[in-house]
Amino acid sequence: GDQVEQSPSALSLHEGTGSALRCNFTTTMRAVQWFRKNSRGSLINLFYLASGTKENGRLKSAFDSKERYSTLHIRDAQLEDSGTYFCAAEAWTGGYKVVFGSGTRLLVSP
Amino acid sequence: NAGVIQTPRHKVTGKGQEATLWCEPISGHSAVFWYRQTIVQGLEFLTYFRNQAPIDDSGMPKERFSAQMPNQSHSTLKIQSTQPQDSAVYLCASSSDRTSNERLFFGHGTKLSVL
Repeated sequence: GDQVEQSPSALSLHEGTGSALRCNFTTTMRAVQWFRKNSRGSLINLFYLASGTKENGRLKSAFDSKERYSTLHIRDAQLEDSGTYFCAAEAWTGGYKVVFGSGTRLLVSP
Repeated sequence: NAGVIQTPRHKVTGKGQEATLWCEPISGHSAVFWYRQTIVQGLEFLTYFRNQAPIDDSGMPKERFSAQMPNQSHSTLKIQSTQPQDSAVYLCASSSDRTSNERLFFGHGTKLSVL
C-alpha cells in the first residue's frame, strides 16, 4: 500500500546547528503537511504544501510531488524545537487518503 | 479562537465498556477528521466529515466504532465494547475545506486507556 518513509527516526542537534528531515513517498501525493508534537502532546501545524517551498522563521519545507519527497529544514536549532516531527501526505484519488510518516524525534541540547 | 477542542483529555474504561469521545471543531470549519495514534501503528486516519456529512470512513474499524456529526459544532467518536487494543490517543482535526488546500488544525487529543 501507500507508504511514507520518514528519516531519520531520531536526531540530536546542538543549539545553533541545523539539519533536514525527509519524507519519501511510494506514490504521487497531492499535498504534504508537517507538524510537531510537543512534550505536552499537542500537534503543532508547521507547513502545508501542495508544491514548491515555504519558509517560516528558522524552518523551511519543500515538496516535490513528481519526485515523491518532502523535506523539512531546521536552522539555528533552539531548545524549544525539541519534539517529534511528522509528515503527512495526502491523496484525493479514489477518496481521501492520508499517510503519515513514522516521525522524527528531535532533541536539541545546549 | 480556542482551536479544536477535544474532551475528555484522558479517559479510562474497563474492557467491554463504551467510550464516547467529543470534538468541537474550529468555528466555521466545514471538514472534521478523526485520527488515532498508537505506538505500533503510528498515526492512522479513521474518518472524516464535510458539512456534517460522512465522506470517507475507510479507516474506521468495521465493528464497534462509529462517528457522528449531528451539528456543525461537534462530532463524536463512539467505541462500543472497548478492548485493550483500542487504547490510543484519538485526535480530531478540522479544516475550512480540505479540497482548497487548507491545512488541518488538530486538537490536543483524547488518550483512551482500556484496562
